[in-house]
Formats: sequence, C-alpha cells, structure tokens
Amino acid sequence: ELKVEQNPLFLSMQEGKNYTIYCNYSTTSDRLYWYRQDPGKSLESLFVLLSNGAVKQEGRLMASLDTKPRLSTLHITAAVHDLSATYFCAEDNTDKLIFGTGTRLQVFP
Amino acid sequence: DVKVTQSSRYLVKRTGEKVFLECVQDMDHENMFWYRQDPGLGLRLIYFSYDVKMKEKGDIPEGYSVSREKKERFSLILESASTNQTSMYLCASSLLTGLNTEAFFGQGTRLTVV
Repeated sequence: ELKVEQNPLFLSMQEGKNYTIYCNYSTTSDRLYWYRQDPGKSLESLFVLLSNGAVKQEGRLMASLDTKPRLSTLHITAAVHDLSATYFCAEDNTDKLIFGTGTRLQVFP
Repeated sequence: DVKVTQSSRYLVKRTGEKVFLECVQDMDHENMFWYRQDPGLGLRLIYFSYDVKMKEKGDIPEGYSVSREKKERFSLILESASTNQTSMYLCASSLLTGLNTEAFFGQGTRLTVV
C-alpha cells in the first residue's frame, strides 16, 4: 500500500527554536514535494526535490531528500509566528501525488 | 502567474442533489486531479485525468464521477450528494511528463451537504 507518513502530526514550538518535520514515503520515487496550507486556504508549493541528496532553502525553511531510507525532512530554523500553518509532503507516484496527513505547526511567543 | 480556478469557494447542497464542481487551469497542463481533504485524513485522491476524455480512479472514487471534455477543464460530479461528502474539495493540475511534476492547486471548494 502506498503510504506517506509524516511526524509529528502536531508541533507547538516557541519562537526562536529549531525543529524538524519528517516525511517517510513508500515508493522508489526520487521526487518529493512540500506544501504549506494556511487555515481555510488551499495548498501553496514550498519545495520541489527532484533527486537524491537535493537540498532547498527558503528563508527559515530547509528541505532535503534522502532516497535510500525514503526520507525527506523539513527543517525550521529560529521559528517565527508567520510560519504557523500545516505542512504537507507528497511523493510522486507515476505522475500523481500521494500526500502525507500533514503536520500542523503552531509557533507561539 | 500559474492559475487553477475552482468555480465556487463555498457550496451548500441538499442530500440527493446532483452537484457539479468545476475547475479550470490556464497552464496547458495535461494532468488534472480532484482531492478531498478532511481533518486528520490529509488529502485523498478521488479521480485524475491524463488527457481529454481520459480518467482514472483514485483512492476514493465511490459516489463521484468526473468529466474532462476540454484540456483546461475538469469537473467533479456528485451523482447524489450525501452528508458524508461534506468536505473541502481541491483541484490541482500538473505536467504529465518531465522531471518536475509539481502540482498547482485551486483555492478549494468547501461543500456542505445538509
């Protein structure tokens, strides 16, 4: 069964702290995507990881892909309130995306 | 700027009604998708389409059908709406082939069936 597992499912963190969200996927795909969703809104693309060892950074977020253990990480550095949202990873399975259940991130002062 | 547009943000329908959700993209993408999103369940794929008049079942197609008569438009049809179809529906599109098959999403339709 195709499965994408994220953990944690919920993350409450203080401003200024660092943390990592993990995404395990089940196929041999080497394409992995991260999305952000604000409450009541749709999904916005954050990162596109297209090969083993890919690393992308945007502001306080950095995503990486390691295809051997089928693991992608989303690292948050010095969190700020504006990063509060739900984050989804998705693996590419023959041109359709299979999504994880999401990680709801809440950053407090 | 890439764009996927869903016809309604909010819809309220009665049980047993036939419901149409429309989605249009302007990126000339071959792939189009319908997902539903429910709390704690993430996004689940209902149907997708690789080309005009082509459709494939996703993980939860029961109670739904789709139509793709033109490349830019993909419709989701609830044949006889039921309360368990109350959900957020998200349309997306992507390129069929190529290294980057990143999906772009519409703004979502929150459907309530009463």
